[in-house]
Amino acid sequence: GAVVSQHPSWVICKSGTSVKIECRSLDFQATTMFWYRQFPKQSLMLMATSNEGSKATYEQGVEKDKFLINHASLTLSTLTVTSAHPEDSSFYICSATGFSGSENIQYFGAGTRLSVL
Amino acid sequence: EDKVVQSPLSLVVHEGDTVTLNCSYEVTNFRSLLWYKQEKKAPTFLFMLTSSGIEKKSGRLSSILDKKELSSILNITATQTGDSAIYLCAVDNNYGQNFVFGPGTRLSVLP
Repeated sequence: GAVVSQHPSWVICKSGTSVKIECRSLDFQATTMFWYRQFPKQSLMLMATSNEGSKATYEQGVEKDKFLINHASLTLSTLTVTSAHPEDSSFYICSATGFSGSENIQYFGAGTRLSVL
Repeated sequence: EDKVVQSPLSLVVHEGDTVTLNCSYEVTNFRSLLWYKQEKKAPTFLFMLTSSGIEKKSGRLSSILDKKELSSILNITATQTGDSAIYLCAVDNNYGQNFVFGPGTRLSVLP
């Protein structure tokens, strides 16, 4: 199956710093990538939908100036958490849409666990 | 508003038991239904069901789509402790541009 690589898998940073998370589709081109946030024992929460070459579409309640998304190519999307604070600590997961036959499958990266001190 | 509902939300069984997880959906433009398994990290893809592929099977796992009832089931036979995970159901309602996820079923398989 298709592979989505997410890096880093784990990051610890000080409050006030910015953190960049990369999401790459390794063996397919993904016109659409998604960014999710997941709190312990809760389901996925969609943060934004990212389309290559255009601005990301953010879900209600997600600050676009706080969570900067760049989808510069068909294989790479980045999420930058700017001026991170402890409440931003969470598990962030990206995914990319790839074709299977005539339908689309959403493939997930391994996730990034962010801890802000 | 499109939505996906899963039941039960939580399930505890013993090894060897058979379980059936349910997913129902209300969406305006159904393209496909997908099942994922999430352990400690991100979800991994299990099955995709469409109008032209309403039944899938892989080992002890199988899934059926009922388009009339707008639902799907995921069956796991002879469960093992390694099956313990959250099982997520999602519906593609916009040609891969949008997926609606259910809340997941947390399955715990006890030895």
